[in-house]
Amino acid sequence: GQQLNQSPQSMFIQEGEDVSMNCTSSSIFNTWLWYKQDPGEGPVLLIALYKAGELTSNGRLTAQFGITRKDSFLNISASIPSDVGIYFCAGAPQGAQKLVFGQGTRLTINP
Amino acid sequence: DAGVIQSPRHEVTEMGQEVTLRCKPISGHDYLFWYRQTMMRGLELLIYFNNNVPIDDSGMPEDRFSAKMPNASFSTLKIQPSEPRDSAVYFCASSFIRATEAFFGQGTRLTVV
Repeated sequence: GQQLNQSPQSMFIQEGEDVSMNCTSSSIFNTWLWYKQDPGEGPVLLIALYKAGELTSNGRLTAQFGITRKDSFLNISASIPSDVGIYFCAGAPQGAQKLVFGQGTRLTINP
Repeated sequence: DAGVIQSPRHEVTEMGQEVTLRCKPISGHDYLFWYRQTMMRGLELLIYFNNNVPIDDSGMPEDRFSAKMPNASFSTLKIQPSEPRDSAVYFCASSFIRATEAFFGQGTRLTVV
């Protein structure tokens, strides 16, 4: 089945630094989503992307839907302690009405 | 809206016992999903419903797993008999129109001993 390759698997940064993570797929996706999961909670939707090339921001978060429709990235600017958590990319393969999830990027922030 | 509500939050059961997980989707949402999360396999889609009808159950691991959605506001995921390898966090999610923009519940952490 389709798989998403998400990188990096983990990040250790200083508070205030910018963060970048990405997801790639071997097949075309119609939708890219980015979620954040805090310990003991369910994933929370951060940003949804529906068109190739689309660039969308949500506060300090910015995500883009790659032109080839096979990749997406998420940037977090000026990180703060509450950004700690696991970030997941998710995509809807062409012709499918369901999401495939990446393996997640665990973000740790040193104050 | 209270969001997707799952119960129980935690379940510990003995191998061989029947387990039933419950979900109340967001009112008005017409898609409902059941996911399983483990360290080894990440988030896996088990089954999803559209307008209470199961659309894709290809992710259900085996016949011990079954899911129902008797009405638009309630769904269950049942495991019978349960096995230790079923231990995981099970999430329910729902969405409106677009099946892809799913909102998740807080999950049920299942431990089978």
